[in-house]
Amino acid sequence: QVQLQESGPGLVKPSQTLSLTCNVSGVSISSDNHYWTWVRQYPGKGLEWIGYIFHAGSSYYNPSLESRVIMSVDRSKNQFSLNLASVTAADTAMYYCAGGHYSSFGDFSPFDYWGKGTLVTVSS
Amino acid sequence: EIVMTQSPATLSVSPGERATLSCRASQTVSTNLAWYQQKPGQPPRLLMYGDSTRTTGLPARFSGSGSGTEFTLTISSLQSEDFAIYHCQQYHIWPWTFGQGTKVEIK
Repeated sequence: QVQLQESGPGLVKPSQTLSLTCNVSGVSISSDNHYWTWVRQYPGKGLEWIGYIFHAGSSYYNPSLESRVIMSVDRSKNQFSLNLASVTAADTAMYYCAGGHYSSFGDFSPFDYWGKGTLVTVSS
Repeated sequence: EIVMTQSPATLSVSPGERATLSCRASQTVSTNLAWYQQKPGQPPRLLMYGDSTRTTGLPARFSGSGSGTEFTLTISSLQSEDFAIYHCQQYHIWPWTFGQGTKVEIK
């Protein structure tokens, strides 16, 4: 059974960097058949996709955030991470790590696996 | 980016009744449309995607239809565990985008 668990500070000051880690269990993060992603949800319930990454490091970010986002993978720990720079109050949200299947034909499936989420508040 | 619009925002339904949720895309997404269910305090859960492919264990009372820009999720006979928020998501073009959700509440 694949399980994901987010960790990181729940409070970040404006202009600082939000850093979260997602621990993956039940599957190797080095699988060529999976991709890993971050999604956030605002208090009003809207969901926003942040970006995805593969175990080898190739990634793609939402253009609305790409100037501030860096994602990375630590294969030795079976984890992947999110760094979001220069945060403001507008970045206050529930952050989910998630994952999905990637086929040998280059097709992405929707998000099969989700962590429980971690609430991040941006405030001084 | 593709804008996804769900309607209605809230749907009040009695247990045992039928619920019909709509999702519209601002441009075609072919059949690359997914539905998620979200209950309070939980992450979204993938229900179905693509050409109405159902995830393992999804009850038969859930069905999906549509292609292009218009999609529908139907719950034929609402059970107590079905009262939740439902999100649609297009995975046709990056960035993948979600609708604002439809809350299905007890009438």
